[in-house]
Amino acid sequence: SQKIEQNSEALNIQEGKTATLTCNYTNYSPAYLQWYRQDPGRGPVFLLLIRENEKEKRKERLKVTFDTTLKQSLFHITASQPADSATYLCALDRGSTLGRLYFGRGTQLTVWP
Amino acid sequence: SAVISQKPSRDICQRGTSLTIQCQVDSQVTMMFWYRQQPGQSLTLIATANQGSEATYESGFVIDKFPISRPNLTFSTLTVSNMSPEDSSIYLCSVATSINEQFFGPGTRLTVL
Repeated sequence: SQKIEQNSEALNIQEGKTATLTCNYTNYSPAYLQWYRQDPGRGPVFLLLIRENEKEKRKERLKVTFDTTLKQSLFHITASQPADSATYLCALDRGSTLGRLYFGRGTQLTVWP
Repeated sequence: SAVISQKPSRDICQRGTSLTIQCQVDSQVTMMFWYRQQPGQSLTLIATANQGSEATYESGFVIDKFPISRPNLTFSTLTVSNMSPEDSSIYLCSVATSINEQFFGPGTRLTVL
């Protein structure tokens, strides 16, 4: 069955540094991968999508890479801020129907001043 | 974009009872999805709610336990039947309007005693 692993449950970094989160998957070849942000008591919020034929995608301070050979995606937040503190989830499409996703457990990021 | 609301936001229920969760979207969408987020676990897709036809359930989830209604293009309900403590979870409604636009409701936090 599909398995998604996010590198660690928690990541603590200093403000201004770059946060790098890892998402690894097995037993599957997704057409695309998404990253979400989830704050306590709220539903996930979509951040970025990267397709299987794309190596890198950027949006403001966010950058996502996708290596289908390694079956890995890296999610970077540059110039991190305390407001970036949240849980970040990666998700893979389940194929066939838009909206059906496999999720990782998430990495809780804390950015301290 | 789509704004999703859920009712109730949280509930505490007794073992053996049932709870119906409502999901309302501010625009018409073809498909709605129900996810579950158990403590410390990833989001798991329960089913796809199709308007005008029966819901499609993922492996491990059955209609008798999680009946779903989809009376129109903006509303769906998920019932958690004959509850046990293992059903304690956050239940989230989601819609996808494109692969770049997937939205989640705030979730319903269910505790079963």
